[in-house]
Amino acid sequence: QKEVEQNSGPLSVPEGAIASLNCTYSDRGSQSFFWYRQYSGKSPELIMFIYSNGDKEDGRFTAQLNKASQYVSLLIRDSQPSDSATYLCAVNEPQEYGNKLVFGAGTILRVKS
Amino acid sequence: ETGVTQTPRHLVMGMTNKKSLKCEQHLGHNAMYWYKQSAKKPLELMFVYNFKEQTENNSVPSRFSPECPNSSHLFLHLHTLQPEDSALYLCASSQEIGGYYGYTFGSGTRLTVV
Repeated sequence: QKEVEQNSGPLSVPEGAIASLNCTYSDRGSQSFFWYRQYSGKSPELIMFIYSNGDKEDGRFTAQLNKASQYVSLLIRDSQPSDSATYLCAVNEPQEYGNKLVFGAGTILRVKS
Repeated sequence: ETGVTQTPRHLVMGMTNKKSLKCEQHLGHNAMYWYKQSAKKPLELMFVYNFKEQTENNSVPSRFSPECPNSSHLFLHLHTLQPEDSALYLCASSQEIGGYYGYTFGSGTRLTVV
């Protein structure tokens, strides 16, 4: 069974700090990687995607991918209380009959004001 | 209207009722998905459709019956549900099966079975 693993948290950070969310995946053939944010009772919202090794920055968000270590992370700079949510890592993995997007269980982030 | 639209947003139904959830996507995507998310639990994939053909059924009980008349519309027919079926039901779509470019989710239907 292919897996995407995340620490369930909660991860608590003070307002203005950097929040670091981590995700590991098991399939070396994985090709695309996503971070979704999900507020309580709401649907997941795509906030970052990354396809190549290295860093990708978008505003306060930075996604980092290391395919050799099978590791993808999300950094949130200047964390705000409005960033408090569950963050889902998703990995596009090759399957026997085509690819599949596999979701982690999510990390709860709490930003304290 | 753009994106993925789900109706109704909230639904309360008795265990003997029959109801349907509707999902419509205006993105020109070819694959659509139903997910279940119970309180404080991960997403559970229920059904996958590619070009309106079902390609995956993750051992979902027969009281849940999906229907995909075309690539833009997806339904989930519900009958004789149990209280443990109360959850957030999410529809998603992707450009191609497998989600290389990711999935777009609808706002979900909050279902309560009484």
